[in-house]
Amino acid sequence: QVQLVESGGGVVQPGRSLRLSCSASGFTFSYYGMHWIRQAPGKGLEWVAVISYDARNQLYADFAKGRFTISRDNTRNTLHLEMDSLEIEDTAIFYCARAGGGGLRWYLDNWGQGTLVTVSS
Amino acid sequence: EIVLTQSPDTLSLSPGERATFSCRASQRVTSGYLAWYQQIPGRAPRLLIYGSSSRATDIPDRFSGSGSGTDFTLTVSSLEPEDFAVYYCQQYSTSPYTFGQGTRLEIK
Repeated sequence: QVQLVESGGGVVQPGRSLRLSCSASGFTFSYYGMHWIRQAPGKGLEWVAVISYDARNQLYADFAKGRFTISRDNTRNTLHLEMDSLEIEDTAIFYCARAGGGGLRWYLDNWGQGTLVTVSS
Repeated sequence: EIVLTQSPDTLSLSPGERATFSCRASQRVTSGYLAWYQQIPGRAPRLLIYGSSSRATDIPDRFSGSGSGTDFTLTVSSLEPEDFAVYYCQQYSTSPYTFGQGTRLEIK
């Protein structure tokens, strides 16, 4: 079955960088778009970014543009999120999720369990 | 950016009752590209409905979705104990792919 496992979360100081990873298994990773979504403690879901199946296209939420970079390695079935200039407001659980198809305009049909990022001095 | 407003914020019902969740968009959601997710506290969200009315794999038929344009509805015909959770709508027609703020379904 589809399995998505996030890693890379932890405690980081404001202004520093962090790289999250999402390891995928149970499906042909290179066929599907992939997303990152975050959820601040006690808050709702917030979409972060999406990347197409072939990595040619990416889209970002406004808060992520210029600070976050989504990428993928189809040879290693892995999705990444590079986050720079982190702010306290970026504290959240970060989920990776599979898109329902290969492009950008798809629902999120499978989710990982999330990795917690805490930005604190 | 398309803003999704869900109502009510909290819904208090009993098992066996019918639940109706509303999601209103600030602009038209093209092609019915609207999804509904369920999140039990402490767990990852789960896809319930996509394309405004198509049930996801293994979702019971007591869950149904409807709507188009700017107004969408999720209905649970007869609540089971495991249905008490938070429900989110999301549009994936126009980037950024926004979520509603969520509706919490609690046991009355």
